[in-house]
Amino acid sequence: ETGVTQSPTHLIKTRGQQVTLRCSSQSGHNTVSWYQQALGQGPQFIFQYYREEENGRGNFPPRFSGLQFPNYSSELNVNALELDDSALYLCASSLISVANLQETQYFGPGTRLLVL
Amino acid sequence: AQSVTQLDSHVSVSEGTPVLLRCNYSSSYSPSLFWYVQHPNKGLQLLLKYTSAATLVKGINGFEAEFKKSETSFHLTKPSAHMSDAAEYFCVVFGGSYIPTFGRGTSLIVHP
Repeated sequence: ETGVTQSPTHLIKTRGQQVTLRCSSQSGHNTVSWYQQALGQGPQFIFQYYREEENGRGNFPPRFSGLQFPNYSSELNVNALELDDSALYLCASSLISVANLQETQYFGPGTRLLVL
Repeated sequence: AQSVTQLDSHVSVSEGTPVLLRCNYSSSYSPSLFWYVQHPNKGLQLLLKYTSAATLVKGINGFEAEFKKSETSFHLTKPSAHMSDAAEYFCVVFGGSYIPTFGRGTSLIVHP
């Protein structure tokens, strides 16, 4: 076990709705990253939060947003859901420093989102 | 820029035989490379990582990988497959940034 938890495990939404996914990082980790994994694909980087601020974003539109809280929890929010948003959403926590930005990431089990 | 190519979408082996999962990468900078494994309905688990130290990296569960700069490869091997090794394997590259690029994955099938 990695010590990273996610909720809920599964979720069904309809097109146009909004969704919030939650992640609890390992204690002491200052960074959380979110990924989208479509069926049969590798995870795609959505964005990363470092010390509660967005630290980088992949090729995802602004309707994907996030928050990171001081208590090692974080959220991924997706507005105006589209059918193609159906995927496994993974969060990963790590402890990075200026000297080492490429530290090991510890993944949660994911939330499987289905958009109908 | 960075990219990673996993050369096989599926690899099928018999239990007790060697495993080879192939990964090629490209990076403008000296890369950090990782292999992760994903069992069904589970998150990703780190197998091993290369971060410019020894080129032969040993990981968990008997897996190892060799970094070959001249071939831009980081292939994952195991001398003897076990049924519990059946899973999806991902090669990951960090090439000078904090944003990783994942390969598309290789599904390892282990036959009794």
